[in-house]
Amino acid sequence: DSGVTQTPKHLITATGQRVTLRCSPRSGDLSVYWYQQSLDQGLQFLIQYYNGEERAKGNILERFSAQQFPDLHSELNLSSLELGDSALYFCASSDSPQAFEAFFGQGTRLTVV
Amino acid sequence: AQSVTQLDSQVPVFEEAPVELRCNYSSSVSVYLFWYVQYPNQGLQLLLKYLSGSTLVKGINGFEAEFNKSQTSFHLRKPSVHISDTAEYFCAVTRRSGGYQKVTFGTGTKLQVIP
Repeated sequence: DSGVTQTPKHLITATGQRVTLRCSPRSGDLSVYWYQQSLDQGLQFLIQYYNGEERAKGNILERFSAQQFPDLHSELNLSSLELGDSALYFCASSDSPQAFEAFFGQGTRLTVV
Repeated sequence: AQSVTQLDSQVPVFEEAPVELRCNYSSSVSVYLFWYVQYPNQGLQLLLKYLSGSTLVKGINGFEAEFNKSQTSFHLRKPSVHISDTAEYFCAVTRRSGGYQKVTFGTGTKLQVIP
């Protein structure tokens, strides 16, 4: 158990809908990362937050957004969903933005139908 | 920009045989290198990392990797694999940029250990 909690574990939704994925980092970790893992794209870095502030952006679509709350949990919002958004979404946390010894959650599997 | 290439998408190997999973990177600046393992239906777990110092890095579960700057490689090795090593392995590279990490993962190598 990495200490990173992601909910829900599975999500099935229709195209055009909006979903919110939630991540609770390890106790004491200030940095949260979001990743998308799909068969055709592999593991793609989406976005990083540190202590509530956005620190780095990767290949995140404009339809996607994220935030980190004062209690350090993070949410990834995916809107206007398309079939191609079906993927495994991982959250990871670390204790600083400089040290990428990150701890990954078990992921949320999103299926868009 | 930085990139990571994992040359083999799948590697079958017999139990108790040695294995090497290859990783090459490119970057115009100094990098830190990592190997992660992903077991089925789980998240990624750090195997080992190279930040500085000795180029031979030892990790968990008997794995080790050697940083070769001239060949821009960071290959992962294990002298004798077990069935439980069956998983997908990801090489990752990070560089410092504006005080935060930019992380790039390879496409992964699926290690299949054959009894």
